[in-house]
Amino acid sequence: NAGVTQTPKFQVLKTGQSMTLQCAQDMNHNSMYWYRQDPGMGLRLIYYSASEGTTDKGEVPNGYNVSRLNKREFSLRLESAAPSQTSVYFCATQSGQGGTGELFFGEGSRLTVL
Amino acid sequence: SQQGEEDPQALSIQEGENATMNCSYKTSINNLQWYRQNSGRGLVHLILIRSNEREKHSGRLRVTLDTSKKSSSLLITASRAADTASYFCAACTSGTYKYIFGTGTRLKVLA
Repeated sequence: NAGVTQTPKFQVLKTGQSMTLQCAQDMNHNSMYWYRQDPGMGLRLIYYSASEGTTDKGEVPNGYNVSRLNKREFSLRLESAAPSQTSVYFCATQSGQGGTGELFFGEGSRLTVL
Repeated sequence: SQQGEEDPQALSIQEGENATMNCSYKTSINNLQWYRQNSGRGLVHLILIRSNEREKHSGRLRVTLDTSKKSSSLLITASRAADTASYFCAACTSGTYKYIFGTGTRLKVLA
């Protein structure tokens, strides 16, 4: 039982390049989330998906796009990477209905944009 | 910014002492949760308190919630060196699935 799996774990990009971070869960949870964590800033919500087929903006959505491909997978795309997007990205799922449950996190994807 | 705030930002105590950290948030909430993060790792859920609850216990953890002040506190009793980590609160905005995190408290427990 893998829980929440993120790929890749590490990535280095040049400014202007694009990439997609993948997240897959085997917990059968409806809700999925993408956060970024910068030093001293805690976690900031980028996008979330309450259920398959829906996505909503979080606190810091600019520069990102997401796709909820199916119930298991939620991807985060950077179309034109910028140094300000250097961060650790975490995917999470939520166990309850209507924002009532705990979040389960992946191990993170460390992205550096040069 | 919607992000909540935690204080203190950093806390250093001796093993066996109690550690208290506080969290403030900005919106009406469904529930508030506390998470722990060891350096470089993902976050692990510690405890959840619902908006209609005022206090909750789990082992050495005690959480309080004051919705009128939009604040919560986490108390870790009889701390151990293994409790050294960063601790974050996360508030779920009412009527949504949005979980907004605080800025975190870095706890160091000295053996």
